[in-house]
Amino acid sequence: EADIYQTPRYLVIGTGKKITLECSQTMGHDKMYWYQQDPGMELHLIHYSYGVNSTEKGDLSSESTVSRIRTEHFPLTLESARPSHTSQYLCASSEYGNTEAFFGQGTRLTVV
Amino acid sequence: KNEVEQSPQNLTAQEGEFITINCSYSVGISALHWLQQHPGGGIVSLFMLSSGKKKHGRLIATINIQEKHSSLHITASHPRDSAVYICAVPNTDKLIFGTGTRLQVFP
Repeated sequence: EADIYQTPRYLVIGTGKKITLECSQTMGHDKMYWYQQDPGMELHLIHYSYGVNSTEKGDLSSESTVSRIRTEHFPLTLESARPSHTSQYLCASSEYGNTEAFFGQGTRLTVV
Repeated sequence: KNEVEQSPQNLTAQEGEFITINCSYSVGISALHWLQQHPGGGIVSLFMLSSGKKKHGRLIATINIQEKHSSLHITASHPRDSAVYICAVPNTDKLIFGTGTRLQVFP
């Protein structure tokens, strides 16, 4: 069973609020990823990290930011949420050099 | 043209039926993933395979590297198999995902 956790699972928040989605893994994986998925649509990579102090933008432009201060944590922050940010956000991790990825349960975000 | 294509997009079946989901890709790969996403949203990795065939319970995954094609089979399907099945291939440090196949199995 994969040890990667996301909180919260569901979040409804007002426009303009700052939010942070948490992602933690206990497998010691170097690589971590954030994907965005709209209902019925494919996953799009928005951020990834090779390890501590490493962050890269993904294929889909996103107004969110990420940080990687510790190996285990890869939080995603929206400074000012908008209805267009309504989506599901999935976190994943994998060992460096090993492409098998483990996914969290996802955070379903609704901005009203 | 997407680099990873799945078919069919939607699939309905009666309980007990044999299910096949196909995945074709256009990039060179070292391995291919089959993932399962339930309505709650979480994704579970079913298989990662680089050649031949893998079996886990009622699930079987095959891959033909030369033809750039993989199949996921479900034997004796059950309503709890209802989910979206996604194939994904690595591209440098990232995964490229197919659009998924939505499977519904009715009792």
